[in-house]
Amino acid sequence: GENVEQHPSTLSVQEGDSAVIKCTYSDSASNYFPWYKQELGKGPQLIIDIRSNVGEKKDQRIAVTLNKTAKHFSLHITETQPEDSAVYFCAASINDYKLSFGAGTTVTVRA
Amino acid sequence: NAGVTQTPKFRILKIGQSMTLQCAQDMNHNYMYWYRQDPGMGLKLIYYSVGAGITDKGEVPNGYNVSRSTTEDFPLRLELAAPSQTSVYFCASSYSEQGAGELFFGEGSRLTVL
Repeated sequence: GENVEQHPSTLSVQEGDSAVIKCTYSDSASNYFPWYKQELGKGPQLIIDIRSNVGEKKDQRIAVTLNKTAKHFSLHITETQPEDSAVYFCAASINDYKLSFGAGTTVTVRA
Repeated sequence: NAGVTQTPKFRILKIGQSMTLQCAQDMNHNYMYWYRQDPGMGLKLIYYSVGAGITDKGEVPNGYNVSRSTTEDFPLRLELAAPSQTSVYFCASSYSEQGAGELFFGEGSRLTVL
């Protein structure tokens, strides 16, 4: 099955700086790559996703890039704010609605 | 519109006991899922369902059972609880006519087996 690796496991940034989280996947047939944000005591929530026919997607301060050749994708958060502190999960899917998740990155934004 | 509702939020079980985690969604989603979340391990798929009457195993199904008699409900049954089943369990649902779509998660059920 699909194996998704996520780095780093923890990330501390100064408020206003950028944060980057990277994921690699093993199955070249994967074609859907969502990112989920999990706040303390809550379930994960989708923040952005990308499909394999697109190289980059932006939504305000969040962007995701995909390199199909290298089989990796990244989440970029610019101008970080305290409310960006959370656990972020990447995932990959071969369009069969069964997502394989990375282990998660705990992001802390320092004021 | 409550979304995905899980009960109970917390439960302590003794080894060998059984229990059912309840999950209900009111969004008329066709797909439903159960994940478990362990520290540093991400989310692992236990079981999923693509519609009423249809269920299938995920990555870590051993020790669990599910049923999907209605579109709204997807209970997860733990038989003969073991310490290895101590985890946070998340139910999720999604709607898609073709493959992957946004998952909507419940707030989780924290289970401890002693």
